[in-house]
Amino acid sequence: DGGITQSPKYLFRKEGQNVTLSCEQNLNHDAMYWYRQDPGQGLRLIYYSQIVNDFQKGDIAEGYSVSREKKESFPLTVTSAQKNPTAFYLCASSWGWTGAYEQYFGPGTRLTVT
Amino acid sequence: KNEVEQSPQNLTAQEGEFITINCSYSVGISALHWLQQHPGGGIVSLFMLSSGKKKHGRLIATINIQEKHSSLHITASHPRDSAVYICAVLGGNTGNQFYFGTGTSLTVIP
Repeated sequence: DGGITQSPKYLFRKEGQNVTLSCEQNLNHDAMYWYRQDPGQGLRLIYYSQIVNDFQKGDIAEGYSVSREKKESFPLTVTSAQKNPTAFYLCASSWGWTGAYEQYFGPGTRLTVT
Repeated sequence: KNEVEQSPQNLTAQEGEFITINCSYSVGISALHWLQQHPGGGIVSLFMLSSGKKKHGRLIATINIQEKHSSLHITASHPRDSAVYICAVLGGNTGNQFYFGTGTSLTVIP
């Protein structure tokens, strides 16, 4: 079955620790995205990647880092510099980077930092 | 100010009712997406449209580019339609900016 996987589903960390969220897709999509969702707010774009070895900052990239060394993988690292890391994180992918392409979403990772 | 506004924020309906969710946006767009988010958090893309109307089963999405408005209709609603429906647009000054609404929470009662 083709799709996007994110792991783990729930993640707990102590404040001051970096944590990496996994995102893998086997849809052969070129573009991948990371979003953050907070209660009562719309999705906000953290980073996106149009092709392998390239990525761009989204609206709220501060305190986050990504890599895109393989087409199917786009891990997100939440660093200790991120002031409010507790949130629901969603990864998505699409054939291309324009609104003309449907985005496929992973199941999400709920990160809690205490 | 939100570039994408949805109404209503919350909606409760009886099974079988016709439902309409509205989305208004303030930026120029190249496409509009309707997404469905279930209680577990997973999101599914329902429609992507840039003009006119699309239909998939009991779901219908329309867009009026001149009025910067889109509607999502659900006919013969069912409890399994209970979810949060999110409107998202791609556009803005660069044409590559994603804007998301805060969602409409729908509960369909049997």
